[in-house]
Amino acid sequence: DAGVTQSPTHLIKTRGQHVTLRCSPISGHKSVSWYQQVLGQGPQFIFQYYEKEERGRGNFPDRFSARQFPNYSSELNVNALLLGDSALYLCASSLGQGGQPQHFGDGTRLSIL
Amino acid sequence: AQSVTQPDIHITVSEGASLELRCNYSYGATPYLFWYVQSPGQGLQLLLKYFSGDTLVQGIKGFEAEFKRSQSSFNLRKPSVHWSDAAEYFCAVGPDEKLTFGTGTRLTIIP
Repeated sequence: DAGVTQSPTHLIKTRGQHVTLRCSPISGHKSVSWYQQVLGQGPQFIFQYYEKEERGRGNFPDRFSARQFPNYSSELNVNALLLGDSALYLCASSLGQGGQPQHFGDGTRLSIL
Repeated sequence: AQSVTQPDIHITVSEGASLELRCNYSYGATPYLFWYVQSPGQGLQLLLKYFSGDTLVQGIKGFEAEFKRSQSSFNLRKPSVHWSDAAEYFCAVGPDEKLTFGTGTRLTIIP
């Protein structure tokens, strides 16, 4: 079975631009979470979606938004990019039924110039 | 608020030696605890998890971890490391899917 897939793998943007990152969960998984991992740090929780509803939001500005589609895939959108948004963005999926381990994709490396 | 502390930023061990990576957590209730491993440029791979029950948890690749409520710790151990274990290790705590991660411990293996 395929794991969590993320696209694109790498992305270069300039300050002020907008970016959309995509994630396909493991088949059968209904929960998708997004994390930001800045170089040298642990991942930080951004959003969780379950059955197309937002279930949780971390401490990120409103420039960050996400959505989940009927097929359980998800998009993370970031507006008005700042240099500090440069990071590895990780998507994780799980069954979403409480206490289930998350399985991570390889991430999208976003560089802001 | 929940938090995770990994006191060791970088650990170097010889191949074949034993390993212990420390993790201390802060959480108001019975925590869900995880250890993940990350190789350069890659995502996170789940090594093991603790939800409830037996406090000694076995994971993949010969790793184990022990949950000690009195010490708020969840240390990762391996009796004999292999060169392929060199990576970044993250401890995480959370309810459900909203995980809080530590800052990670980089493990270097010397021949």
